[in-house]
Amino acid sequence: GESVGLHLPTLSVQEGDNSIINCAYSNSASDYFIWYKQESGKGPQFIIDIRSNMDKRQGQRVTVLLNKTVKHLSLQIAATQPGDSAVYFCAEDSGGSNYKLTFGKGTLLTVNP
Amino acid sequence: GAVVSQHPSWVICKSGTSVKIECRSLDFQATTMFWYRQFPKQSLMLMATSNEGSKATYEQGVEKDKFLINHASLTLSTLTVTSAHPEDSSFYICSARDVPGGVFEAFFGQGTRLTVV
Repeated sequence: GESVGLHLPTLSVQEGDNSIINCAYSNSASDYFIWYKQESGKGPQFIIDIRSNMDKRQGQRVTVLLNKTVKHLSLQIAATQPGDSAVYFCAEDSGGSNYKLTFGKGTLLTVNP
Repeated sequence: GAVVSQHPSWVICKSGTSVKIECRSLDFQATTMFWYRQFPKQSLMLMATSNEGSKATYEQGVEKDKFLINHASLTLSTLTVTSAHPEDSSFYICSARDVPGGVFEAFFGQGTRLTVV
């Protein structure tokens, strides 16, 4: 999603629906990507990762899709639950020797019961 | 997954004092640790990268004399906010990776809420 000023992009879904959160990354040389979930007042929590030699990876209820052609990453959450409500960030590793990750702007997911 | 412990989880200090935040990797050797700052409803902003035993690399615009980072061992990094002012109030988060050791994902601490009054 696109950031508007200082406000996080938001996604609101009904419990049980599937959620898709999108991320545009910046560096075509990035070779490793991670999705994180951050609940209010806590540090980010790892969800799933993917390397650039793959275009899809599945976990438990989550799937990450990578489109290197358009530098786009998405996170799909199946059967979204109220506990999934959080801010979701994508992060990319451009492979530099300092191993730092660059974070996207984040998307606030709200699951309505 | 690996555990990174950050302490304290919150701190209130007076303007002009210094505050130290600790970040420990509990079950792996963190060859690289990162310090982030996060304002409400915003993404994580990388402040600096530190490797064990060497000086930290600061991001552009981050004052190295104000935000002192020490990474004296493979399991501990500290961030000291010196002469804190109200504008330093923020959520500070550390993370650790060990890419050479095969720990590719970055594990995060629980964050420290700093309030300067």
